[in-house]
Amino acid sequence: AQSVSQHNHHVILSEAASLELGCNYSYGGTVNLFWYVQYPGQHLQLLLKYFSGDPLVKGIKGFEAEFIKSKFSFNLRKPSVQWSDTAEYFCAVENQAGTALIFGKGTTLSVSS
Amino acid sequence: DAGVTQSPTHLIKTRGQQVTLRCSPKSGHDTVSWYQQALGQGPQFIFQYYEEEERQRGNFPDRFSGHQFPNYSSELNVNALLLGDSALYLCASSLQADYEQYFGPGTRLTVT
Repeated sequence: AQSVSQHNHHVILSEAASLELGCNYSYGGTVNLFWYVQYPGQHLQLLLKYFSGDPLVKGIKGFEAEFIKSKFSFNLRKPSVQWSDTAEYFCAVENQAGTALIFGKGTTLSVSS
Repeated sequence: DAGVTQSPTHLIKTRGQQVTLRCSPKSGHDTVSWYQQALGQGPQFIFQYYEEEERQRGNFPDRFSGHQFPNYSSELNVNALLLGDSALYLCASSLQADYEQYFGPGTRLTVT
């Protein structure tokens, strides 16, 4: 069965620090990959997605992610975090049938001002 | 343009009871998926409805059932509630031909 691993459970950064959150998935075929964010008290929102093409995808709010097929990875990055980036971040892969998202356990990011 | 809406926001039930959660998809969307998010975990896929039929089901027991109406809204029913059913239940809608799922705010279910 497909699975997603997020290595960092809780990341604490100061404002302006750089961010990289790890994500690895298990399926070796064609994959559609996503990063979702859940701000405190808000619903899940899509940050960015990868379907095909350029492995470096850019999302909202200055986030980007790189798909590395050989490493089964889709890490999320941001050069300089802000206090408002404090949230829960989820990596997800679409299942083979294209009907469901399989999520990782999430990473809590806390940014101090 | 209204996004995905869910009701109720919070719900408290007793073990053994039954519960119904409701979801209205984003305008123009025809597919509804339900997820369960336990505390400290990522969302887990329960099932997806399209054209009023259950299209795919995740690893959840038959106590979890659903329905989709002609207007694309959906219900999630859980029978014989267990303490372990306490979670945030998320509804997501999408367009059949599109991959992106839009999530609602969720219903927080507490089983005592």
